[in-house]
This record gives sequence, C-alpha cells and structure tokens, in this order.
Amino acid sequence: DTGVSQNPRHKITKRGQNVTFRCDPISEHNRLYWYRQTLGQGPEFLTYFQNEAQLEKSRLLSDRFSAERPKGSFSTLEIQRTEQGDSAMYLCASSLWGQRTPSISPLHFGNGTRLTVT
Amino acid sequence: AQKVTQAQTEISVVEKEDVTLDCVYETRDTTYYLFWYKQPPSGELVFLIRRNSFDEQNEISGRYSWNFQKSTSSFNFTITASQVVDSAVYFCALSPIIQGAQKLVFGQGTRLTINP
Repeated sequence: DTGVSQNPRHKITKRGQNVTFRCDPISEHNRLYWYRQTLGQGPEFLTYFQNEAQLEKSRLLSDRFSAERPKGSFSTLEIQRTEQGDSAMYLCASSLWGQRTPSISPLHFGNGTRLTVT
Repeated sequence: AQKVTQAQTEISVVEKEDVTLDCVYETRDTTYYLFWYKQPPSGELVFLIRRNSFDEQNEISGRYSWNFQKSTSSFNFTITASQVVDSAVYFCALSPIIQGAQKLVFGQGTRLTINP
C-alpha cells in the first residue's frame, strides 16, 4: 500500500490556459474521488468514479472541468480556460467498495495538487 | 441539505492539556457516516475515525476519544494529554450512505496549536 499519489504537487498557470492533474489511487481501490479545497475551507466534493465509470458530478464541476479514469486505475482532472477562481488545492481520494458484503473502506486522500492561476 | 459546523476556528493550548474539538451536523438522512480527519502542514488529509449513524457508542483510541450524540447532532473529538505533534487542522465531515458513495460534506475545520 503506497498510498494515493498526485502529480504535480504544485502548478502555476496563467489565466486562460488548460491544466491537467493526475491521481494514482491505492491499487486495489475501485472508487476514486476528486475534491477541491480553497484556503481556510474544508474540501468540497467534485466527482467520483467506480472503476472507469463516472457515477456522479457535483454542480461545482463546471463545463470547463472534465475528469476521466480510462482504465479504472489512474484518473486525470482537466481544467480548460482556467480562471483565478480555480485556484485551490485539488485532492484525490480512493476507497474500496465491495458489493457482496457492503463494506466500504474510508477515503484515503493524497497530498493534493495546489493550483495557482495568475 | 447537509451541513457540518465547527464553531471553533482556532484553539491554542499548552502541551499535556486536554482539548475538545466540537462538531455539530445537520442532515435529513436517517443513515449516514460521520468522520474526523487531520490535516497537518504537509496537506494530506489523514483519516482518524468513521462512525455509522446506527452506532452511538463512544470510542477511544489511545489519547483520542470521540463522543457521538445523535440527540444533539454532535460528534465531538477529545485529545487527552495533547502533544506538539497534534498540531494540525482537524475536519469533521458527514456523508450519506447511498450505494457506498462517500460524498463527504466537511466543516470549515479547527486549527489546533499545541505549544510546548
């Protein structure tokens, strides 16, 4: 168990540019979540996947945001035409959900990617 | 709508003191999870505890203890004999239980500083 890994740790970009973040979950975890945390606030749910299927998106996730998990392993979060309001810490988390015995492991979070839009 | 309120924005105590972090929540769901996470300066959210709404038993883990009271919608966290390494931001969170999805609603956090 190497934990949830996120890259890059920091990203500085100019307004209007596109950025992409990557998340590698704990290998046996079938669920992957993206959260966003602004300064001084708690994280807010953005979206989550079960394997490669994106099951839900928050209303916070505007059309400029897209997330994928093509092979059910790593995930990417892309922000197009970044705005200053997108500056935040983007957190990825993973968990294991079993259908037979509804056992749900708690969310394990990565260190996050801090985005600064200038 | 769900909401988590952590009224204490910042707490500062001297090492070895006991400290309690308050958490009050609102939900219309009958089944839900409650959580506490720790966020040290490194930024990673560290899982501390998850409680199911069915289970109101208090829990103790070493110096940490949690008091869940459904009647007052509270889930308070106490650190006994605090240490400098306990300094961090602590988040309380709530999640409905729907198909195992953990869409956590977090409070604003309490910044805890333990002074030597």
